[in-house]
Amino acid sequence: TQLLKQSPQFLSIQEGENLTVYCNSSSVFSSLQWYRQEPGEGPVLLVTVVTGGEVKKLKRLTFQFGDARKDSSLHITAAQPGDTGLYLCAGRQGGSEKLVFGKGTKLTVNP
Amino acid sequence: NAGVMQNPRHLVRRRGQEARLRCSPMKGHSHVYWYRQLPEEGLKFMVYLQKENIIDESGMPKERFSAEFPKEGPSILRIQQVVRGDSAAYFCASSLSINQPQHFGDGTRLSIL
Repeated sequence: TQLLKQSPQFLSIQEGENLTVYCNSSSVFSSLQWYRQEPGEGPVLLVTVVTGGEVKKLKRLTFQFGDARKDSSLHITAAQPGDTGLYLCAGRQGGSEKLVFGKGTKLTVNP
Repeated sequence: NAGVMQNPRHLVRRRGQEARLRCSPMKGHSHVYWYRQLPEEGLKFMVYLQKENIIDESGMPKERFSAEFPKEGPSILRIQQVVRGDSAAYFCASSLSINQPQHFGDGTRLSIL
């Protein structure tokens, strides 16, 4: 069973479109990280959210942590081909330092 | 400003051989984490080390796998008597201290013949 479920698994859109990807769980997380991973490389940290209801913006990317700290979303405005990649969410539970990862959303933005 | 450095990037071993994967954390980082990524699977936590100490090894197989982070030098993930099922990408991450973001290296891709 996957503790963190990401949806959709695959997403293919045209340049300029908006999109939202989701990271859901029935468990509470003390913090949640979003990473982007490209083929042959390691995950690159995009953002960390800690407080329930928190919203963080990174240029065209908006991250939200659910009020109950069980879920998160990533919204991309006016997607560009450079946004193509595997988006991973990862959470920490309680006092543990280990990250629990979702399987990711593979995003393709076509020019 | 070097990030997390892992080597080798690719490693090929025959069944029964040993594999040694190295990880140099970011400068100033004393917390190291190892994760394994299987095809079509998410990253799975293996072990968390702080200089010379294993803090959490709950994700590491009990046999054949070991990890260390000596006072001097890189962290090493060691797999003895490798089997086909060990083929995966192994990622190392480091952080400045507890409750801080983890930054990942580009991984070692291990292939077992």
